[in-house]
Amino acid sequence: GENVEQHPSTLSVQEGDSAVIKCTYSDSASNYFPWYKQELGKRPQLIIDIRSNVGEKKDQRIAVTLNKTAKHFSLHITETQPEDSAVYFCAATMNRDDKIIFGKGTRLHILP
Amino acid sequence: DAGITQSPRHKVTETGTPVTLRCHQTENHRYMYWYRQDPGHGLRLIHYSYGVKDTDKGEVSDGYSVSRSKTEDFLLTLESATSSQTSVYFCAISTLGGGYGTEAFFGQGTRLTVV
Repeated sequence: GENVEQHPSTLSVQEGDSAVIKCTYSDSASNYFPWYKQELGKRPQLIIDIRSNVGEKKDQRIAVTLNKTAKHFSLHITETQPEDSAVYFCAATMNRDDKIIFGKGTRLHILP
Repeated sequence: DAGITQSPRHKVTETGTPVTLRCHQTENHRYMYWYRQDPGHGLRLIHYSYGVKDTDKGEVSDGYSVSRSKTEDFLLTLESATSSQTSVYFCAISTLGGGYGTEAFFGQGTRLTVV
């Protein structure tokens, strides 16, 4: 089955700097890659996603890139702000079995 | 809350007892998922459902069973709870499954402690 690896597990960046979180997946049939943000004590919520026919997608300060050949995708957050502090999860899915498999998460700390 | 509620929100139970968690949705979504969240392990898929009475196993299904007799309800049962099943359990719903790619909405979570 699909396996998603996520790095780093913890990331601290100065406010205003950029943060990058990387994920790799194992099954080349995966074709949809969402990213979720989970604030402390709350439920995960979708922040951005990308499909396998697209190499990059941006939404204001966040962007996701996908390299299908290398089977990895990354989340980029620019001009980080205190409210970006949270746990971020990547996921990979494929339409042949409907599962949504998550990485282990990255705890992002924004330092003042 | 995207029309999804979990019950109970908190539960403490003894080892060896059966426990059932309920996920209820009002959105008529076809796909429903149960995850457990543990420090260092992220969100791990336990079971999921792609329709009434249609379910399949996830990554960590041992010790768990599910049932879906109605579109709106997806039940997760721990047949005989063990301390290793102490966790936060999240239910999620989605219009489309897997790679068709739509947002999965999560419930508020259930904190289960097995003593």
